Amino acid sequence: NAGVTQTPKFRVLKTGQSMTLLCAQDMNHEYMYWYRQDPGMGLRLIHYSVGEGTTAKGEVPDGYNVSRLKKQNFLLGLESAAPSQTSVYFCASSYQREPGDTQYFGPGTRLTVL
Amino acid sequence: AQSVAQPEDQVNVAEGNPLTVKCTYSVSGNPYLFWYVQYPNRGLQFLLKYITGDNLVKGSYGFEAEFNKSQTSFHLKKPSALVSDSALYFCAVSYNFNKFYFGSGTKLNVKP
Repeated sequence: NAGVTQTPKFRVLKTGQSMTLLCAQDMNHEYMYWYRQDPGMGLRLIHYSVGEGTTAKGEVPDGYNVSRLKKQNFLLGLESAAPSQTSVYFCASSYQREPGDTQYFGPGTRLTVL
Repeated sequence: AQSVAQPEDQVNVAEGNPLTVKCTYSVSGNPYLFWYVQYPNRGLQFLLKYITGDNLVKGSYGFEAEFNKSQTSFHLKKPSALVSDSALYFCAVSYNFNKFYFGSGTKLNVKP
């Protein structure tokens, strides 16, 4: 049982390049989330999904797209990377069968955009 | 609007002393409150949560937190700090199925 895994762990992009971050969970969780973590700002929700085939915008969605084609995977895409997207990205998942269910986090992806 | 405040960027304590990491929240309705810990270069790990019931919640690694509705606070505490407790601590609040709101984090330094 690997929990929540993220690929890649590190990435350096040039401005304007694109990339996709992959999140996978093996806990059969319905809900999945993408956050970004910036110094002094905590975690901010980018997009989330309440089930396979569904996605919704979070607090800071601009510049990102997501897809949830399979229940266990949640992809985060950057179509044209900008230096402002330099951050650490965390994926999380939860059952959310009731309010207050715990979120489980992946180890993070450190992205630098030059 | 929902928000979470962690008023201290950093807390320094000596090993063996009690520690408190503060969290206040502003949310409509009944909140669900969480504490997570983050070690360097790692993801967030769940410590404890308050859903309902007893205001004192016990969690992992000897941590506990007290929910105070009148003061809208959910402070994290531990009777005797360990050097290994040094990490970044996040308070979070949720009021529905979909969204968590995280505080900015408090760095805990426990010195030998």
